[in-house]
Amino acid sequence: SYELTQPPSVSVSPGQTARITCSGDALPKKYAYWYQQKSGQAPVLVIYEDTKRPSGIPGRFSGSSSGTMATLTLSGAQVDDEADYYCYSADANGDHRVFGGGTKLTVL
Amino acid sequence: EVHLVESGGGLVQPGGSLRLSCAGSGFTFSSYEMNWVRQAPGKGLEWVSYISGAGYTIYYADSVKGRFTISRDNAQNSLFLQLNSLRVDDTAIYYCAREGANDYTNYGLDYWGQGTLVTVSS
Repeated sequence: SYELTQPPSVSVSPGQTARITCSGDALPKKYAYWYQQKSGQAPVLVIYEDTKRPSGIPGRFSGSSSGTMATLTLSGAQVDDEADYYCYSADANGDHRVFGGGTKLTVL
Repeated sequence: EVHLVESGGGLVQPGGSLRLSCAGSGFTFSSYEMNWVRQAPGKGLEWVSYISGAGYTIYYADSVKGRFTISRDNAQNSLFLQLNSLRVDDTAIYYCAREGANDYTNYGLDYWGQGTLVTVSS
């Protein structure tokens, strides 16, 4: 079955840039989406179609994709950005959707 | 304002069944594809199932195929998930999520409910 691979954890100091990667064989053909989930809350969409930011999401969140890897970048990470982040995409046929394993972002 | 509210979770024994519901409001329910996503305690998100706006196209994760059935009633603005042959590892919070898309853009799972907890235990 199709898988998306993320690092389990990323740590940065406040104000630094955090990068979270997501690798998958179908990413050259399928968009990546990124979700932020804070403890006890439902996920929130932060990036769609690889690079686009929904209204209301701060400009420090950005996305990129190249080949089999998508990347979520937080420029100037804040303590409030501490959360689990998940990438989401589909397999090459589009009939199976999948989340990456999640990355715990620590900002301290 | 878009709202999704799940219900129907609870405690069930292994091998049992449960029917989850998701009520949508604040948008034209029939125009949107819908998904179920679950999250086991302390674990990551797992996509479970997808249904198109008219209900004609349906997909399942391999882990639930043959045991779970997704459906919708657009007249009632409702999404359902029938869970049969439940196993201990089906224990999770189950979220319904709207898939926002038009002819040019797929916004992904843009709105989520708060989830309903399903516990499978003897």
